[in-house]
Amino acid sequence: GQNIDQPTEMTATEGAIVQINCTYQTSGFNGLFWYQQHAGEAPTFLSYNVLDGLEEKGRFSSFLSRSKGYSYLLLKELQMKDSASYLCAVRSNTGFQKLVFGTGTRLLVSP
Amino acid sequence: GAVVSQHPSWVICKSGTSVKIECRSLDFQATTMFWYRQFPKQSLMLMATSNEGSKATYEQGVEKDKFLINHASLTLSTLTVTSAHPEDSSFYICSARSQLAGGSHEQFFGPGTRLTVL
Repeated sequence: GQNIDQPTEMTATEGAIVQINCTYQTSGFNGLFWYQQHAGEAPTFLSYNVLDGLEEKGRFSSFLSRSKGYSYLLLKELQMKDSASYLCAVRSNTGFQKLVFGTGTRLLVSP
Repeated sequence: GAVVSQHPSWVICKSGTSVKIECRSLDFQATTMFWYRQFPKQSLMLMATSNEGSKATYEQGVEKDKFLINHASLTLSTLTVTSAHPEDSSFYICSARSQLAGGSHEQFFGPGTRLTVL
C-alpha cells in the first residue's frame, strides 16, 4: 500500500520562505513530484526528484531523502499568487507507474 | 508543450442519468491515461488507469460497472458515470502519459470536469 502525508494547512507572509513537508511509505518508488493546484483548476507541475538531494528551480526547490521517505518543497520570496494547494505525489515503479497523491497542503500567503 | 483537454468543463445532471466525460491528448499520443476524482478540500484520488485497446485497471473501492472507461484511441479516453447520484458530484481530472514516455514529468493533466448531480 501507499501512505503519503502532508500538513493540511500552512500560512505565511508575503516575501517569506515556507517549507512544505511530505512523508511517504510506498511499496515501490520511481520518483516524487510536487504540483501546485489553484481552486477549481488542474494541478500544474512544479518539480521532480528521483535521486536524493536538492533540485532548485527559481523560487522553488525540492528535496528528497529516499532512505527517510521524506521530501520537502521550499518556496522563497513568497507572493500572494502562491496561495494554493501543494500536492506531493509518488510514482510507482511497477505496472503503469501510476502517480499517487498525498493529502495536499493548503498554503495561504498573507500581506 | 503537451496539452490535454477535457469536455465538458462542467456538467449538471439529474440523479439517475449517465454522464460521459472525454479526455483528449491534443498534440501527442497517450498510451496510458489516468482518471482522478477530487472532492472539495481533498487531494486527487486515482480511480483507474486506462490503456489504449485494453480494459481499464480500477483502484480498490472504485466500481467498474459504475465508472465505465473506454480508451478507444491513442488520443481519447472517456469516463462514463452511470446512474449518477448526488454523492458522485465531484471534480474529475484526467491525465495522459506520452507514448514516448521518459524524462521527469511526462504525465500531463487536463483542466478537469466539475460534475454536479441534483
